[in-house]
Amino acid sequence: GAGVSQSPRYKVAKRGQDVALRCDPISGHVSLFWYQQALGQGPEFLTYFQNEAQLDKSGLPSDRFFAERPEGSVSTLKIQRTQQEDSAVYLCASSQYQGPSYGYTFGSGTRLTVV
Amino acid sequence: AQTVTQSQPEMSVQEAETVTLSCTYDTSESDYYLFWYKQPPSRQMILVIRQEAYKQQNATENRFSVNFQKAAKSFSLKISDSQLGDAAMYFCAYRTDSGYALNFGKGTSLLVTP
Repeated sequence: GAGVSQSPRYKVAKRGQDVALRCDPISGHVSLFWYQQALGQGPEFLTYFQNEAQLDKSGLPSDRFFAERPEGSVSTLKIQRTQQEDSAVYLCASSQYQGPSYGYTFGSGTRLTVV
Repeated sequence: AQTVTQSQPEMSVQEAETVTLSCTYDTSESDYYLFWYKQPPSRQMILVIRQEAYKQQNATENRFSVNFQKAAKSFSLKISDSQLGDAAMYFCAYRTDSGYALNFGKGTSLLVTP
């Protein structure tokens, strides 16, 4: 597609429920990032993929968070046993390049609300 | 710790006027890249302008320009001839050569009044 697509756009989960958030990057984009944006804050880095390899997962806040990109295109961010502090917008971004000098194309995010 | 500080939570500008959004950052790296992103209510982050730290010349993109002061670690964004469509959250960010993450500030909410 023309842009980065994320689904669902909104997700309400009961505390303790597992959720899966999907990101469809721009076709051919090598780099894929996940960010978490709490209300009133800037995005915080979660993890980075170069093709199917997860090269950096230092931002994942706990072992309840897991991300994958098995074929180097679509990525899924999974959150197990959701907690209220997981409520945030989860943004996905992709880039054609590996290097740091280029900006990324972001999706419109998934707003997760844990009740 | 690497941080980005945007000291203005909110700014207001009249249509057709000029506004400057401030940003300071802190990194011990010598090679890095600076960005300004715009986030409208649709939530999608849109790249406004970027600057390579090794370049002394300030970047310009149409009505948007930056004032990059490397020694002061300052990277402000100037919007000229402001338009109603410029109203949004603006985030300053940087990324180093050695890392993958974009490090963002907390953002500045820009209001444009007719």
